[in-house]
Amino acid sequence: EPEVTQTPSHQVTQMGQEVILRCVPISNHLYFYWYRQILGQKVEFLVSFYNNEISEKSEIFDDQFSVERPDGSNFTLKIRSTKLEDSAMYFCASSSLAGGPTDTQYFGPGTRLTVL
Amino acid sequence: GESVGLHLPTLSVQEGDNSIINCAYSNSASDYFIWYKQESGKGPQFIIDIRSNMDKRQGQRVTVLLNKTVKHLSLQIAATQPGDSAVYFCATGNSGAGSYQLTFGKGTKLSVIP
Repeated sequence: EPEVTQTPSHQVTQMGQEVILRCVPISNHLYFYWYRQILGQKVEFLVSFYNNEISEKSEIFDDQFSVERPDGSNFTLKIRSTKLEDSAMYFCASSSLAGGPTDTQYFGPGTRLTVL
Repeated sequence: GESVGLHLPTLSVQEGDNSIINCAYSNSASDYFIWYKQESGKGPQFIIDIRSNMDKRQGQRVTVLLNKTVKHLSLQIAATQPGDSAVYFCATGNSGAGSYQLTFGKGTKLSVIP
């Protein structure tokens, strides 16, 4: 069964450093997402991406964040200068286009980001 | 502001019993509702969804009920098994606005007692 994969599973970084979180969405999917979950809190939407551009973003997704689809398979989330409060689990998800906004979003296993 | 909440943070049930997990949402514009299951160390796994034009939908051992009047949905799991132990999240969407963003609740931890 196709699945979303994410690397690394755990990333530890120093405050102020740049990190790139990587995702490989399901191969025939066209919509990609990043969500995050701070420990003990809700899963929060960050951004959606379609046709090589951002289609929606939340207030959390400020200028420190960026997304990219550098090739035909990877989807990345970059945090330019990490802050302590960026420590969270980051989930990538993807969906096909066929069902539109109600098409099922399939989630990856997540990357745990720890900022020291 | 928009929020999705859960009535109970934890739920313990005996193996074989039925489980009911509840969720309240606040955005009356929500028209798409999903239940996800998250096992330890894994990402959210889709269980079942329902559109706002329905009030009940059944899957394999799971049923989702939607009450738009009181903005409440529930997930019923029949004959709960140890493998059902996980955190369950409800999430809502607003497809009518063309939005793909999901709003998640905090999660209910289901523990199945053998």
